[in-house]
Order: sequence, then C-alpha cells, then structure tokens
Amino acid sequence: EAGVAQSPRYKIIEKRQSVAFWCNPISGHATLYWYQQILGQGPKLLIQFQNNGVVDDSQLPKDRFSAERLKGVDSTLKIQPAKLEDSAVYLCASSLAPQAGELFFGEGSRLTVL
Amino acid sequence: GQNIDQPTEMTATEGAIVQINCTYQTSGFNGLFWYQQHAGEAPTFLSYNVLDGLEEKGRFSSFLSRSKGYSYLLLKELQMKDSASYLCAVRDQNGANNLFFGTGTRLTVIP
Repeated sequence: EAGVAQSPRYKIIEKRQSVAFWCNPISGHATLYWYQQILGQGPKLLIQFQNNGVVDDSQLPKDRFSAERLKGVDSTLKIQPAKLEDSAVYLCASSLAPQAGELFFGEGSRLTVL
Repeated sequence: GQNIDQPTEMTATEGAIVQINCTYQTSGFNGLFWYQQHAGEAPTFLSYNVLDGLEEKGRFSSFLSRSKGYSYLLLKELQMKDSASYLCAVRDQNGANNLFFGTGTRLTVIP
C-alpha cells in the first residue's frame, strides 16, 4: 500500500516570496491534515479536511496560509508571503476517519525562508 | 484547549529499560497516541490507548490513566536504533477529533 506522498521534499525561498506544497494521502483516507513542525518542537496542527470540506482551520494563519482539497483527494498548502518564522517542516497526514485510528504521515516538506 | 507535557531529553543505556512520561490536560479526551520520529523523518505510529491500563507491543508498552491525565511509554531491551524523538499526542473530541502533539522527548541510547 502506498503511503502519504508529499512534494517537494525541500524548498528554499526568500522572505515575502510564495511557496506551495502538495500532498496525496493514502487511497481511501477521507481525512487529511497539515501540520507545521518547527525544529525541536512537536507537530502543530494547521488544518483538517474531511473529504473536500474544511473541518477545522482555527490554527491556520489565514492572512498568509491557505489550503485546499478540491476533489477530496490530494491537497495543496500555500504560503504567501512567507516570513522567516515559517521555516519548518510541513507534514501531511491522513486517516480513515477523524475519530478513529492513527494518523499516517508523509515524509514532509522542509521549508527554509531566508 | 490542550496542554501536553513530556521531558525534553532522556539518555539511556543499550539493553536497559526506559520510561517516558506524558501528562495532559484536555477538555474532550478521546485517546492518547505515541509516535516515534527519527531525525529528518516522518512520525510513525507506536501505540494507542483509549482505556485505562497497559497496552503491550513487543518491546514497547504504553500505559494510560485517564483520571490522572497521565501516560507513559516503556521501551525494553533498548537498541541503538531506538534513539529518536518520542511524541505524545492526545485526540480531543472537542477539537474536531484532531491530534494535538507534545513537544517530544529526544531519547539518546548510548552503548
């Protein structure tokens, strides 16, 4: 069974530029999450999707971050404009349903903002 | 909201046993997870507790006490490859059943 796919693995940009990350969850997983993990910290939830709908985006900095999952399968997370403090690994995870089972994580996209 | 505490770092000797503690406060507890994360890699699932007691899986065991808001992960017969960060995470049904993670405990296994 294929795991959660993410791209790109690494991205370096200058502040005020934009960046987009892509995630393809495990087939059949209705729930998709984006987490931000700053070096030395645990993952911090940004947004949860159930199929193509947003369940929780209360911790997403909406002035610069946006995410979509238009067809209920793959998802894109965008940052525009980026700030230095956005340097982190952006992890995508999926699960069969939000209330049951563990999350399966992708390898992450490491962002460096200069 | 959620508040999850675990030690920042621990060191243990190869072949020994180590216990990593986690305390939590959450309004709608719906399960506690432990994940392992090697440096530069994705977190991988280790264990899940939703009822009080001990869950054993090979060299790894996890314990939960809901009344105390407390869990621990027990690693036996430590191996060098167990050097990693161990993340405690709580599912909160009042938070859209999201998983909220602690900062992680970095375990170093020494010969």
